[in-house]
Amino acid sequence: NAGVMQNPRHLVRRRGQEARLRCSPMKGHSHVYWYRQLPEEGLKFMVYLQKENIIDESGMPKERFSAEFPKEGPSILRIQQVVRGDSAAYFCASSATRTDTQYFGPGTRLTVL
Amino acid sequence: QQQVKQSPQSLIVQKGGISIINCAYENTAFDYFPWYQQFPGKGPALLIAIRPDVSEKKEGRFTISFNKSAKQFSLHIMDSQPGDSATYFCAAPAGPGSNYKLTFGKGTLLTVNP
Repeated sequence: NAGVMQNPRHLVRRRGQEARLRCSPMKGHSHVYWYRQLPEEGLKFMVYLQKENIIDESGMPKERFSAEFPKEGPSILRIQQVVRGDSAAYFCASSATRTDTQYFGPGTRLTVL
Repeated sequence: QQQVKQSPQSLIVQKGGISIINCAYENTAFDYFPWYQQFPGKGPALLIAIRPDVSEKKEGRFTISFNKSAKQFSLHIMDSQPGDSATYFCAAPAGPGSNYKLTFGKGTLLTVNP
Protein backbone atom coordinates (compact mmCIF):
# COMPACT_ATOMS: atom_id res chain seq x y z
CA ASN A 1 0.00 0.00 0.00
CA ALA A 2 1.82 3.06 -1.27
CA GLY A 3 1.99 5.99 1.06
CA VAL A 4 1.37 9.63 0.26
CA MET A 5 3.36 10.63 -2.78
CA GLN A 6 4.60 14.10 -3.59
CA ASN A 7 6.47 15.42 -6.56
CA PRO A 8 8.73 16.94 -7.33
CA ARG A 9 10.86 16.34 -4.25
CA HIS A 10 12.95 19.40 -4.97
CA LEU A 11 11.92 22.43 -6.97
CA VAL A 12 13.97 25.47 -7.82
CA ARG A 13 12.28 28.57 -9.17
CA ARG A 14 13.37 32.13 -9.86
CA ARG A 15 11.45 35.01 -8.39
CA GLY A 16 8.29 35.70 -10.35
CA GLN A 17 7.89 32.15 -11.70
CA GLU A 18 5.14 29.73 -10.83
CA ALA A 19 5.55 26.66 -8.65
CA ARG A 20 3.28 23.63 -8.91
CA LEU A 21 3.43 21.00 -6.22
CA ARG A 22 1.59 17.71 -6.60
CA CYS A 23 0.27 15.29 -4.02
CA SER A 24 -1.28 11.87 -4.46
CA PRO A 25 -3.00 10.68 -1.27
CA MET A 26 -2.85 7.19 0.10
CA LYS A 27 -5.16 4.71 -1.54
CA GLY A 28 -8.63 5.04 -0.10
CA HIS A 29 -8.02 8.51 1.32
CA SER A 30 -10.15 11.36 0.07
CA HIS A 31 -9.04 14.07 2.52
CA VAL A 32 -5.90 16.05 1.73
CA TYR A 33 -4.08 18.67 3.76
CA TRP A 34 -1.20 20.94 2.87
CA TYR A 35 1.31 22.21 5.43
CA ARG A 36 4.33 24.47 5.12
CA GLN A 37 7.50 24.07 7.16
CA LEU A 38 9.99 26.88 7.44
CA PRO A 39 13.54 26.09 8.64
CA GLU A 40 13.59 25.11 12.32
CA GLU A 41 9.86 25.66 12.62
CA GLY A 42 6.93 23.35 13.08
CA LEU A 43 4.50 22.65 10.32
CA LYS A 44 1.85 25.27 9.64
CA PHE A 45 -1.55 24.28 8.29
CA MET A 46 -2.41 25.81 4.95
CA VAL A 47 -5.46 24.17 3.42
CA TYR A 48 -7.78 21.18 3.70
CA LEU A 49 -9.45 19.70 0.63
CA GLN A 50 -11.75 16.89 -0.30
CA LYS A 51 -12.39 15.78 -3.84
CA GLU A 52 -13.40 18.87 -5.84
CA ASN A 53 -13.94 20.93 -2.68
CA ILE A 54 -11.87 23.31 -0.57
CA ILE A 55 -13.02 22.76 2.99
CA ASP A 56 -10.74 25.13 4.91
CA GLU A 57 -8.15 27.46 3.43
CA SER A 58 -7.71 29.61 6.50
CA GLY A 59 -3.96 29.01 6.63
CA MET A 60 -3.25 29.90 3.05
CA PRO A 61 -1.98 33.35 2.07
CA LYS A 62 -4.74 35.31 0.36
CA GLU A 63 -2.68 36.11 -2.71
CA ARG A 64 -0.61 34.02 -5.08
CA PHE A 65 -1.48 30.69 -3.43
CA SER A 66 -4.19 28.32 -4.59
CA ALA A 67 -5.00 24.66 -4.15
CA GLU A 68 -7.21 22.13 -5.85
CA PHE A 69 -8.08 18.47 -5.59
CA PRO A 70 -9.85 17.47 -8.79
CA LYS A 71 -12.09 14.49 -9.25
CA GLU A 72 -9.31 12.73 -11.11
CA GLY A 73 -5.62 13.15 -10.44
CA PRO A 74 -3.48 14.54 -7.66
CA SER A 75 -4.01 17.54 -5.47
CA ILE A 76 -2.12 20.60 -6.67
CA LEU A 77 -0.72 23.46 -4.63
CA ARG A 78 0.08 26.38 -6.92
CA ILE A 79 2.18 29.36 -6.00
CA GLN A 80 2.22 32.17 -8.53
CA GLN A 81 4.93 34.81 -8.81
CA VAL A 82 7.10 33.16 -6.19
CA VAL A 83 9.20 35.26 -3.83
CA ARG A 84 12.20 34.26 -1.71
CA GLY A 85 10.01 34.03 1.36
CA ASP A 86 8.14 31.14 -0.25
CA SER A 87 11.23 28.97 0.09
CA ALA A 88 10.21 26.17 2.44
CA ALA A 89 9.28 22.52 2.62
CA TYR A 90 5.69 21.86 1.63
CA PHE A 91 4.10 18.72 2.99
CA CYS A 92 0.94 17.03 1.96
CA ALA A 93 -0.98 14.70 4.25
CA SER A 94 -4.02 12.54 3.70
CA SER A 95 -6.58 10.77 5.82
CA ALA A 96 -9.53 8.45 5.37
CA THR A 97 -11.91 10.77 7.22
CA ARG A 98 -11.54 14.29 8.56
CA THR A 99 -10.86 13.03 12.08
CA ASP A 100 -8.58 10.11 11.25
CA THR A 101 -4.81 10.10 11.50
CA GLN A 102 -3.05 12.21 8.92
CA TYR A 103 -0.25 10.49 7.02
CA PHE A 104 2.41 12.73 5.53
CA GLY A 105 4.25 12.58 2.27
CA PRO A 106 8.02 13.16 1.89
CA GLY A 107 7.52 16.81 1.04
CA THR A 108 8.58 19.16 -1.74
CA ARG A 109 11.46 21.45 -0.94
CA LEU A 110 10.99 24.70 -2.80
CA THR A 111 13.91 27.02 -3.29
CA VAL A 112 13.33 30.45 -4.77
CA LEU A 113 16.41 32.10 -6.20
CA GLN B 1 -6.77 29.35 18.07
CA GLN B 2 -4.72 26.54 19.51
CA GLN B 3 -1.18 27.19 20.74
CA VAL B 4 1.26 24.37 21.38
CA LYS B 5 4.52 25.02 23.21
CA GLN B 6 7.15 22.33 22.99
CA SER B 7 10.32 21.91 25.04
CA PRO B 8 13.20 21.44 25.00
CA GLN B 9 14.28 22.74 21.63
CA SER B 10 17.10 20.20 21.53
CA LEU B 11 18.07 17.22 23.64
CA ILE B 12 21.17 15.06 23.86
CA VAL B 13 20.89 11.67 25.50
CA GLN B 14 23.26 8.78 25.90
CA LYS B 15 22.35 5.42 24.44
CA GLY B 16 20.14 3.56 26.87
CA GLY B 17 18.93 6.72 28.57
CA ILE B 18 15.43 8.18 28.77
CA SER B 19 14.42 11.01 26.47
CA ILE B 20 11.60 13.26 27.67
CA ILE B 21 9.89 15.88 25.52
CA ASN B 22 7.10 18.08 26.83
CA CYS B 23 4.23 19.93 25.24
CA ALA B 24 1.74 22.41 26.68
CA TYR B 25 -1.48 23.42 25.00
CA GLU B 26 -4.09 26.10 25.60
CA ASN B 27 -7.50 25.05 24.36
CA THR B 28 -9.18 22.02 25.83
CA ALA B 29 -11.96 21.26 23.40
CA PHE B 30 -10.32 18.56 21.30
CA ASP B 31 -9.64 14.89 21.58
CA TYR B 32 -6.46 13.84 19.88
CA PHE B 33 -2.76 14.41 20.58
CA PRO B 34 -0.31 12.88 18.12
CA TRP B 35 3.46 12.83 18.17
CA TYR B 36 5.35 12.81 14.91
CA GLN B 37 8.94 11.78 14.21
CA GLN B 38 10.83 13.39 11.35
CA PHE B 39 14.20 12.38 9.94
CA PRO B 40 16.23 14.86 7.87
CA GLY B 41 14.83 15.21 4.37
CA LYS B 42 11.75 13.14 5.16
CA GLY B 43 8.14 13.86 5.98
CA PRO B 44 6.78 13.56 9.53
CA ALA B 45 5.70 10.05 10.45
CA LEU B 46 3.10 9.36 13.12
CA LEU B 47 4.85 7.85 16.12
CA ILE B 48 2.14 7.53 18.74
CA ALA B 49 -1.07 9.32 19.65
CA ILE B 50 -3.29 9.62 22.69
CA ARG B 51 -6.87 10.63 23.36
CA PRO B 52 -7.58 12.49 26.62
CA ASP B 53 -9.82 9.79 28.07
CA VAL B 54 -6.64 7.98 29.15
CA SER B 55 -3.67 9.35 31.09
CA GLU B 56 -1.00 7.21 29.47
CA LYS B 57 -0.38 5.19 26.35
CA LYS B 58 2.59 2.95 25.73
CA GLU B 59 3.83 1.44 22.49
CA GLY B 60 7.11 -0.38 22.79
CA ARG B 61 9.74 2.04 24.06
CA PHE B 62 7.51 5.06 23.49
CA THR B 63 5.05 6.37 26.09
CA ILE B 64 2.74 9.38 26.04
CA SER B 65 1.70 10.78 29.39
CA PHE B 66 -1.26 13.14 29.47
CA ASN B 67 -2.10 15.59 32.26
CA LYS B 68 -5.43 17.18 31.45
CA SER B 69 -5.55 19.49 34.48
CA ALA B 70 -2.11 20.91 33.68
CA LYS B 71 -2.85 20.96 29.94
CA GLN B 72 0.35 19.10 29.23
CA PHE B 73 1.40 15.93 27.48
CA SER B 74 4.81 14.41 27.15
CA LEU B 75 6.70 11.82 25.16
CA HIS B 76 9.06 9.43 26.92
CA ILE B 77 11.50 7.32 24.95
CA MET B 78 12.91 4.54 27.06
CA ASP B 79 16.26 2.88 26.32
CA SER B 80 17.00 5.56 23.71
CA GLN B 81 18.94 4.37 20.67
CA PRO B 82 21.06 6.24 18.10
CA GLY B 83 18.40 5.37 15.53
CA ASP B 84 15.93 7.48 17.52
CA SER B 85 17.93 10.58 16.62
CA ALA B 86 15.39 12.75 14.81
CA THR B 87 13.16 15.76 15.28
CA TYR B 88 10.00 15.14 17.26
CA PHE B 89 6.86 17.21 16.96
CA CYS B 90 3.82 17.24 19.19
CA ALA B 91 0.54 18.39 17.72
CA ALA B 92 -3.00 19.17 18.72
CA PRO B 93 -6.15 19.99 16.80
CA ALA B 94 -6.61 23.71 16.27
CA GLY B 95 -9.88 23.88 18.13
CA PRO B 96 -13.56 22.98 18.22
CA GLY B 97 -14.80 21.87 14.84
CA SER B 98 -11.25 21.87 13.48
CA ASN B 99 -9.94 18.47 14.50
CA TYR B 100 -8.39 18.10 11.09
CA LYS B 101 -6.30 21.27 11.45
CA LEU B 102 -3.26 20.25 13.43
CA THR B 103 -1.20 22.83 15.27
CA PHE B 104 2.38 21.66 15.67
CA GLY B 105 4.99 22.51 18.25
CA LYS B 106 8.29 23.86 16.96
CA GLY B 107 9.99 20.52 17.36
CA THR B 108 12.69 18.93 19.50
CA LEU B 109 15.91 17.78 17.90
CA LEU B 110 16.92 14.60 19.70
CA THR B 111 20.46 13.30 19.46
CA VAL B 112 21.24 9.94 21.00
CA ASN B 113 24.95 9.37 21.39
CA PRO B 114 26.29 5.84 21.05
